[in-house]
Amino acid sequence: DAGVIQSPRHEVTEMGQEVTLRCKPISGHDYLFWYRQTMMRGLELLIYFNNNVPIDDSGMPEDRFSAKMPNASFSTLKIQPSEPRDSAVYFCASSLRMGLAGVGETQYFGPGTRLLVL
Amino acid sequence: DAKTTQPPSMDCAEGRAANLPCNHSTISGNEYVYWYRQIHSQGPQYIIHGLKNNETNEMASLIITEDRKSSTLILPHATLRDTAVYYCIVRRTLGNQFYFGTGTSLTVIP
Repeated sequence: DAGVIQSPRHEVTEMGQEVTLRCKPISGHDYLFWYRQTMMRGLELLIYFNNNVPIDDSGMPEDRFSAKMPNASFSTLKIQPSEPRDSAVYFCASSLRMGLAGVGETQYFGPGTRLLVL
Repeated sequence: DAKTTQPPSMDCAEGRAANLPCNHSTISGNEYVYWYRQIHSQGPQYIIHGLKNNETNEMASLIITEDRKSSTLILPHATLRDTAVYYCIVRRTLGNQFYFGTGTSLTVIP
C-alpha cells in the first residue's frame, strides 16, 4: 500500500486566497483525521471522520476552515479566506478502526502539506 | 485522557540503548500507552503501544511499571536515523483523540 497520500506537499499563497488540501487515506481504513502542526501549538487534531461522516470537528479553529469526505478514498481541508496565522504543516492520518481495546487504532500519517500564507 | 510528562530532550550515543521515559501518573485502568515518533519534516510514525504488559516489536520495547504510572520506550541499538521527537500518548480504549503533547527530542550522537 502506498500509505496516506497528501497533496500538495507545499503551498504558498497570499492572504485572502482559498486553499484546498487533499488527502487519500489507506484503502480500507474507516477513520480519517486532519491535524495541524505549528511550533507554538504542536500537533493539534482539527477534525476526524468515520465512514466519510464528520464525527468531531471541535478542533477546527473557525468558520474559515471546512473539511469534507465525499467518499472513502478522498478528503479535503479547505481554508477560505486564508490568513498568515494559518501557516503550518497540515497532516492527514487514517486508521482501521477506533475504540476496540487498542486493536487497529494505530494512526498512519501522510507526509504533510506545508502551507505558507503571505 | 491522562496527561503525560516527558523530558524535552535527550542525547544517546550511536549503538547504545536509548531509554525514553514517560510519566502518566493519572492513567486509568482502561487507558493504553502509545508511542509515536516524528522525524524532521515527516509525519508521525507509530512505534508501539501497550496496556499493562511489556511489549516488544521490531522497532522498540515498551516497559510499563506495575502501577502503570510511568513507562519507558527502549530503542535497543540507536542509530542516527532514530534522531526524532518521540511522543508518549495515553488514551482510552473508547477514546477518540490522540493528544501528542510536546514529546522528547532525541538526538543520536555519532
